[in-house]
Amino acid sequence: SQTIHQWPATLVQPVGSPLSLECTVEGTSNPNLYWYRQAAGRGLQLLFYSVGIGQISSEVPQNLSASRPQDRQFILSSKKLLLSDSGFYLCASSGGPGDTQYFGPGTRLTVL
Amino acid sequence: QQQVKQSPQSLIVQKGGIPIINCAYENTAFDYFPWYQQFPGKGPALLIAIRPDVSEKKEGRFTISFNKSAKQFSLHIMDSQPGDSATYFCAAGRRRALTFGSGTRLQVQP
Repeated sequence: SQTIHQWPATLVQPVGSPLSLECTVEGTSNPNLYWYRQAAGRGLQLLFYSVGIGQISSEVPQNLSASRPQDRQFILSSKKLLLSDSGFYLCASSGGPGDTQYFGPGTRLTVL
Repeated sequence: QQQVKQSPQSLIVQKGGIPIINCAYENTAFDYFPWYQQFPGKGPALLIAIRPDVSEKKEGRFTISFNKSAKQFSLHIMDSQPGDSATYFCAAGRRRALTFGSGTRLQVQP
């Protein structure tokens, strides 16, 4: 089965600072990869998804970007964080013949 | 046409009760319907999933009921326990793309 790693687990950053969150996947090859954001007590908002290396689709226009430099590595970045970027960021992976998405443990980002 | 509507937003039951969470979808192309369980500060974990070729699926105390004609599906938790207190998300999708419901916060009181 797949294992998704995310780091850091928690992050506190000042407004205007850059951001880099990393996600790596084990146990599958050529997965679809996803970045979601979850505001406190809210649902899951899909931010980006990738079907392969260098292939990124953005679902919501914002100051975040994503990159996939390797098959099982997915990075979420920002050049300048906003207060509204605070939230719980989840990486998910979908690989193999099924449609199931498996989630990582998440990164709690607080922008002050 | 991509929306998945989930209700209720929150639910409180006594231990041993049977909470029921409902979801409705619009896109008839969806062919995969999973439920996820999320504890505070953790990522969602797959609980149970169903395909539209069956009307019900059971795994332990968790049951999905699926009504294709009504485009609705629901999660039933039998003999609920305080440890089941969590947020539950339904989802619907096809070809590895999922649309999630807004979540139901379940509290099971001892």
